[in-house]
Amino acid sequence: QSVLTQPPSASGSRGQSVTITCTGTSSDIGGYDFVSWYQQHPNRAPKLIIYEVNQRPSGVPDRFFGSKSGNTASLTVSGLRTEDEADYYCSSYTGAGTSIFGGGTKLTVL
Amino acid sequence: QVQLVQSGPEVKRPGASVKVSCKTSGYIFTSNGISWVRQAPGQGLEWVGWISGSDGNTADAERFRGRVLMTIDESTSTAYMELRSLTSDDSATYYCARDKGDFTRDFWGQGTRVTVSS
Repeated sequence: QSVLTQPPSASGSRGQSVTITCTGTSSDIGGYDFVSWYQQHPNRAPKLIIYEVNQRPSGVPDRFFGSKSGNTASLTVSGLRTEDEADYYCSSYTGAGTSIFGGGTKLTVL
Repeated sequence: QVQLVQSGPEVKRPGASVKVSCKTSGYIFTSNGISWVRQAPGQGLEWVGWISGSDGNTADAERFRGRVLMTIDESTSTAYMELRSLTSDDSATYYCARDKGDFTRDFWGQGTRVTVSS
């Protein structure tokens, strides 16, 4: 698999919730609990927001929630704020020290 | 505080090589690996490879195998990525990122723009 499958876009109104999915295979997402999510604003470096499926780094608000079922991981952003508008990328370990990213999802806050 | 500072932008001819540096500070260099990730203009993130900060072991994406060389210099806490036989498809921003130990990148460099053009 060359890339994990994400929807190209997602949207939600301020205050609402949105879920972004990331679909892989049993060789990546389904095989390991090393799924992470990154937020990227335009012309900025990516920022880690979820690691090991559902863990939040210090400083990331609990509005960001990660989960996994089978070969699909999900990122839910609740209480949408304008600053959440960004690109979101999932990533998974794929064995033998290698990793893979999703194609990215552009989140629009209406 | 953890910081990763990368070298400046590069312009290369097709067929040439480029070497990007990533100088780290704020943590024990040998305790973490460094991942390299690239992003072509308007495109998504692509994992290039990883190097251990302790013993220099590497892992790379199949599409770069044989063309990418990742190295470390413990004395200066710096990681390097060299990409050879460049084509226009290699034009991208290259990021280094600290691996926190579970194949997760927790701190990122500012990115290095590499342009391949004749």
